[in-house]
Amino acid sequence: GAVVSQHPSRVICKSGTSVKIECRSLDFQATTMFWYRQFPKQSLMLMATSNEGSKATYEQGVEKDKFLINHASLTLSTLTVTSAHPEDSSFYICSAAYVNSNQPQHFGDGTRLSIL
Amino acid sequence: DQQVKQNSPSLSVQEGRISILNCDYTNSMFDYFLWYKKYPAEGPTFLISISSIKDKNEDGRFTVFLNKSAKHLSLHIVPSQPGDSAVYFCAASVRGAQKLVFGQGTRLTINP
Repeated sequence: GAVVSQHPSRVICKSGTSVKIECRSLDFQATTMFWYRQFPKQSLMLMATSNEGSKATYEQGVEKDKFLINHASLTLSTLTVTSAHPEDSSFYICSAAYVNSNQPQHFGDGTRLSIL
Repeated sequence: DQQVKQNSPSLSVQEGRISILNCDYTNSMFDYFLWYKKYPAEGPTFLISISSIKDKNEDGRFTVFLNKSAKHLSLHIVPSQPGDSAVYFCAASVRGAQKLVFGQGTRLTINP
């Protein structure tokens, strides 16, 4: 089946650091990728939707200058958490989908981000 | 506003028995529903889905039931196996929009 690879799986860094997370679709062209955030024992909350070659659409309450999303190709989207602070510590998960497809979204394995 | 709710944070079932996970939604525009399974430190894995034009969809040991009037869906797993122990998320969308709204998840534990 479709595979989505997310890297890195875990990041621990100091406050003020910018962190980049990559999401790759390995065996299909993902016209749309989604970025989610999950706090402990809570639901996956959609942060933004990125379409290849265009600007991401952010959900209400998500700072676009804080969470930079780039979707430069049909197989790669990146999320950069800029000037990360401890409150940005969370589990970030990406998913990929092919537009107009009836196939469900396929998820990466997530990135555990810990800001000290 | 939690549009998709899973009111049971955890469920414990004996191996071989039926597991029933429940999900309620409030947005009547939702017309496509999915169940995902998630192990720790991994992303969700798609299990089964159902369109609002159906009230039941079955795939092996997994069956999803949809009650549109009650805005309720459930996932039945029978027989339950130890490998089914995981967190299960239901999700809903407006078909074609691709944007998923997730419930909080239910941790299922299958006891041998």
